[in-house]
Formats: sequence, C-alpha cells, structure tokens
Amino acid sequence: EPEVTQTPSHQVTQMGQEVILRCVPISNHLYFYWYRQILGQKVEFLVSFYNNEISEKSEIFDDQFSVERPDGSNFTLKIRSTKLEDSAMYFCASTLAGARTDTQYFGPGTRLTVL
Amino acid sequence: AQSVTQLGSHVSVSEGALVLLRCNYSSSVPPYLFWYVQYPNQGLQLLLKYTSAATLVKGINGFEAEFKKSETSFHLTKPSAHMSDAAEYFCAVTTTGNQFYFGTGTSLTVIP
Repeated sequence: EPEVTQTPSHQVTQMGQEVILRCVPISNHLYFYWYRQILGQKVEFLVSFYNNEISEKSEIFDDQFSVERPDGSNFTLKIRSTKLEDSAMYFCASTLAGARTDTQYFGPGTRLTVL
Repeated sequence: AQSVTQLGSHVSVSEGALVLLRCNYSSSVPPYLFWYVQYPNQGLQLLLKYTSAATLVKGINGFEAEFKKSETSFHLTKPSAHMSDAAEYFCAVTTTGNQFYFGTGTSLTVIP
C-alpha cells in the first residue's frame, strides 16, 4: 500500500539554526500538508499546499516557516531560525484531491529537538 | 470555525470490555469527521470517517462511530477491547478538506 514517508525520523539542532524536514507524499496525490504535535498536545495544522502554492496556513506558520516542492516527489518544510518552542513532532500528510471526503494520509513524523 | 473536544485524556478498559471514546464537535457548517489512531512512535492512521452518508460508520479493527447531529457528537466505540487497541486516539473535523482540526487526543489503556 502506498505510504507517505518522512526523513529524518529525528533531527536535533541548535537554537537559531535552519532545519529542513523532508516528506515524500503518495505519488498521485495533489494536496500536501504539514502538521505539528508538541509533546502532550494536540496535532496542529500548519499549512496546506497545492499546485506549487500555499492554499491555507495557520497563525503558527509565520515568516520563519516555508514550504517547497523542489521536485516531483519531495515536499519540504523549512524552519529558518529554530526556537526552543519549535521542538515537536512534525507530520506530513497528503490527499488525492483535497476534497473534504478525502482521507489525509500521514507520514510517521519527524521529531525535531531544538537545544 | 470548527473544533473538536475529546472528553477524557485517559481511558482505561479491561480486555474484552466496551470501548467508548468521546468526541464532540463544533461547526457552523456540516462537518466531516474523522477518527485517527496513533501507535507509539508512529504516524496517524485513519480508523474511520463520516462524510454525510450513513450516520453509523464502521472502520478498521472493529471500531465504529455514530454521527449525532442533535448532540454534536461523534463518539468512537468498540464492543470488545483488545490489548492491541492500546494507543492514542484523535478525533478531527474539517469542512473544506484543506485544514483539519484535531482534538487533544485520548490515550486508551487496555488492562489484561
């Protein structure tokens, strides 16, 4: 069964450093998403992406964050200057057509630790 | 705006007992509702979804949920708990399909 993959599984970085989290969505999916889950808290929406543009973003997704689809398979989340509070699990998801009946398929997540 | 509230951050049941995980939603337009399960160190896996067809939705692993508009609820049930059901369960709502709003999760413990 096709699945969303994410790399790395765990990233440790120093505060102020840039990090790039990578995702490979399911190959025929057109809509891509990033969520984060701070330890012990709810899963929070960050951004959705379609046709090489951001469709929606939450208030969490400020100027420190950016997303990109650099090629036909990868979907990346960049955090320019990490803060301690960016420590969280980051999940990538994809859907076939972005319709509200579509299932969002989630990757296994990248655990980001900012020291 | 949409939101979901999951009552009970921790639920413990005995193996073989009924599982009931509660979810109430708030939405100004007809919602689409989902239950996801998260096993340790894994991503979110879809259990079931309500998309305005049948109000009683059956999912994987013997779980089901009933959409009750009058109660704004979408509680998850399973008649008989299994040890392998121990996990974190998240209820989520969307109206556009573009942005999902998740609850805070319920951790299910199954006691042998």
